[in-house]
Formats: sequence, structure tokens, C-alpha cells
Amino acid sequence: SQQGEEDPQALSIQEGENATMNCSYKTSINNLQWYRQNSGRGLVHLILIRSNEREKHSGRLRVTLDTSKKSSSLLITASRAADTASYFCATQGSNYKLTFGKGTLLTVNP
Amino acid sequence: EAGVAQSPRYKIIEKRQSVAFWCNPISGHATLYWYQQILGQGPKLLIQFQNNGVVDDSQLPKDRFSAERLKGVDSTLKIQPAKLEDSAVYLCASSPAGPDTQYFGPGTRLTVL
Repeated sequence: SQQGEEDPQALSIQEGENATMNCSYKTSINNLQWYRQNSGRGLVHLILIRSNEREKHSGRLRVTLDTSKKSSSLLITASRAADTASYFCATQGSNYKLTFGKGTLLTVNP
Repeated sequence: EAGVAQSPRYKIIEKRQSVAFWCNPISGHATLYWYQQILGQGPKLLIQFQNNGVVDDSQLPKDRFSAERLKGVDSTLKIQPAKLEDSAVYLCASSPAGPDTQYFGPGTRLTVL
């Protein structure tokens, strides 16, 4: 069963704009992770935020976590055409199992 | 550092045939995972190994799917017999002992006709 639900399902923006994707989940977690998947390829880990953290940055990525609302957001600033991909949130509980959402398809137009 | 290797990259079979996928994790990674990703969905965990022992296979359709990791290194996933609904990308991932980041291979795209 899917734990995370990403919103929106698809997002199309112009190069240089910011992109924001949201993720909601249902059960308690140890951490929440974001992955990127380019068409026809495997997943690439972007960032991990632990349940006791509220915000984390990595380069042009900013992730927030609100455990009271069971939600997270991923912000990509100054987007590039190369950021075009599907983005998945995944929650990890105490058994190390990763449960993925259905993903957001981001298209960045040059 | 070499990444997670998978083969084949693509496979087309007819329903009721058998198929096997191979995965070689990153050297030293104790935990190995197999995921199924159906088009338009996120990956779903099929089985998780810790060294050569199974940690979680609760979502593995055991009547047709089997997996092994005999020496605690590489692993094979088999489907016998295949059904149309098994068409998907099969992803292998590995991680060091414990939780956190998983490293994914390129996947095997299976088409069942």
C-alpha cells in the first residue's frame, strides 16, 4: 500500500522558476526521503529529513517536515531543464522499510 | 565506487513463461531490496534481505515470485509463471546495515505479452 501521497501529480514550469511539491503520509515515521527518477532510469536519493527535524537544505533543494500534519514539502529553486523528472517521497519506519508515494512529474520548460 | 548493477535491462516474455533478474549490490552493503514499479506508480517493496536472510517479504506474491541471496552478496528474483499484470520495472537497491539512504540500480523493464 502507498503511504505517501504527492501533490500535485504533475507540474509544469519555466526554467528559473521555483517548483514546490508536497507529500502527505498516514503513520508515524523515523524519516522521510525524497528521490528523483529520470525517465527509464533508477531512483536517485536527493535528501533525507528525520522526524525530529523541521527543515533541511541541500544545494537548490529545501525540504520541510511537519510531523503534526504528517506532511512534507520539497522546494527546488531556480529550476533547470535538467530537473525534469518524477519526484517521489518515501517514508521510513522503524523496520527500515521505505514506502513510496505515486510521485509528481515535474516538467521544466527551457 | 561502482553502483548497483542489474541485468538484463529489458525483457519481453509471453504470459506463463518464466523470467529471472539479477542484482549485484554496492560492495559491502548488507541490505538488499527488490521493488516492483508499475507504470505511473511509485516503487513497491517486494522483498528485503539482510545479508542472506529475509527481513520482509510480506508483499511478495509467493505463489509465483521467489528471490534468493545465497552468499549475502548478489541476488536473483524469479517469476514463474508470469502474468500480464507483472509488466513493470523491477528495481534493486542496497544500503549499508541499518536504515537511511538506499541506492538504486537502473532497473529491469519487464513486458509480459
